[in-house]
Amino acid sequence: GEDVEQSLFLSVREGDSSVINCTYTDSSSTYLYWYKQEPGAGLQLLTYIFSNMDMKQDQRLTVLLNKKDKHLSLRIADTQTGDSAIYFCAESIFPGGGADGLTFGKGTHLIIQP
Amino acid sequence: NAGVTQTPKFRVLKTGQSMTLLCAQDMNHEYMYWYRQDPGMGLRLIHYSVGEGTTAKGEVPDGYNVSRLKKQNFLLGLESAAPSQTSVYFCASSYSEQGWNTEAFFGQGTRLTVV
Repeated sequence: GEDVEQSLFLSVREGDSSVINCTYTDSSSTYLYWYKQEPGAGLQLLTYIFSNMDMKQDQRLTVLLNKKDKHLSLRIADTQTGDSAIYFCAESIFPGGGADGLTFGKGTHLIIQP
Repeated sequence: NAGVTQTPKFRVLKTGQSMTLLCAQDMNHEYMYWYRQDPGMGLRLIHYSVGEGTTAKGEVPDGYNVSRLKKQNFLLGLESAAPSQTSVYFCASSYSEQGWNTEAFFGQGTRLTVV
């Protein structure tokens, strides 16, 4: 079945850039998402990328997609304490998940050092 | 708009008890989902629904039942709760139409503990 892999933890200094990586196995993946979960909260969509794109930038966020290697990354520039959260990579064939829902990675805990 | 609302937010059950988690969305979404989130496991799909009156099994359906009697509501039932069902449950909804900027909207979660 489909699989999405992420590192469990990433620690960065405040002000540095954070790069969270994700790999997926389903070559049919069309929509790739990054969700953010703050402590005790639900999931908030940060950004997404369509499989025919290589890069997407949205303010401090840059998403890079290497479709050949099935590798997705999220770069957060000038990391702030408010960025401390769990970041989930997710993929689906259909927008929003369609009939099969989204396949999630286990999540990466982003820890910010002062 | 309230978006996706889950009730209750917290619950403690004894083994063998039953309960129903309610999910309501006010965005007229066709698709609704129930996920569970466990430490180190990410989110896993329990059941989903592609429209009123229809439901289907996801990745981890055992021990759960669902119903979608109204388009805006998706209920998750535990008939006989087990400690293994201790988890955080998330409901989500999305449109069915193909689109460029379609996302799944998530509720705030229900933290369930079975003792």
